[in-house]
Amino acid sequence: DSGVTQTPKHLITATGQRVTLRCSPRSGDLSVYWYQQSLDQGLQFLIQYYNGEERAKGNILERFSAQQFPDLHSELNLSSLELGDSALYFCASSSPSGASSVAEQYFGPGTRLTVT
Amino acid sequence: AQSVTQPDIHITVSEGASLELRCNYSYGATPYLFWYVQSPGQGLQLLLKYFSGDTLVQGIKGFEAEFKRSQSSFNLRKPSVHWSDAAEYFCAVGAVQAGTALIFGKGTTLSVSS
Repeated sequence: DSGVTQTPKHLITATGQRVTLRCSPRSGDLSVYWYQQSLDQGLQFLIQYYNGEERAKGNILERFSAQQFPDLHSELNLSSLELGDSALYFCASSSPSGASSVAEQYFGPGTRLTVT
Repeated sequence: AQSVTQPDIHITVSEGASLELRCNYSYGATPYLFWYVQSPGQGLQLLLKYFSGDTLVQGIKGFEAEFKRSQSSFNLRKPSVHWSDAAEYFCAVGAVQAGTALIFGKGTTLSVSS
């Protein structure tokens, strides 16, 4: 158990809908990362938050957004869903020595999103 | 741009045999390197990491990896594979310029035969 929790574990929804994925980082970790894992693209970085502030964006679509709350949990919002958004979404957290430091990341169990 | 290449998509090893999974990276500065393992339906578990210092790093579950700057490689090894090691293995590099996110290779699936 990494200490990172994600809910829900599975999500099935229809095209055009909007969903919210939730992540609670390990206790004390200030950085939260979101990744998407799909068969064709592999593991892709989406977005990072550090202590409530957005730090970096990766290959995140404009239809996707995220935020980190004062208690450090994070939510990833996916809207206008398409079939191609079906994937495993991981949250990871880390405790870097600073906002721009690399540290090992601990991954949650993921949310499997199926868009029908 | 930073990238990670895992040349082997799928490897089959006999139980008790040694294992080496290859990883090559492309990164302009001193890399932060990681190996993660993912069992079916599970999240990613950190096996080991290299930040600096000794180029041979030890990890959990009997795994080790060696950083070779001249070859831009960070290969994962285990002297004797167990059936429970069957999983997907990911090499990753930490990129400060990308906001400290990890850039992952495509992964290598390890099968263990009896």
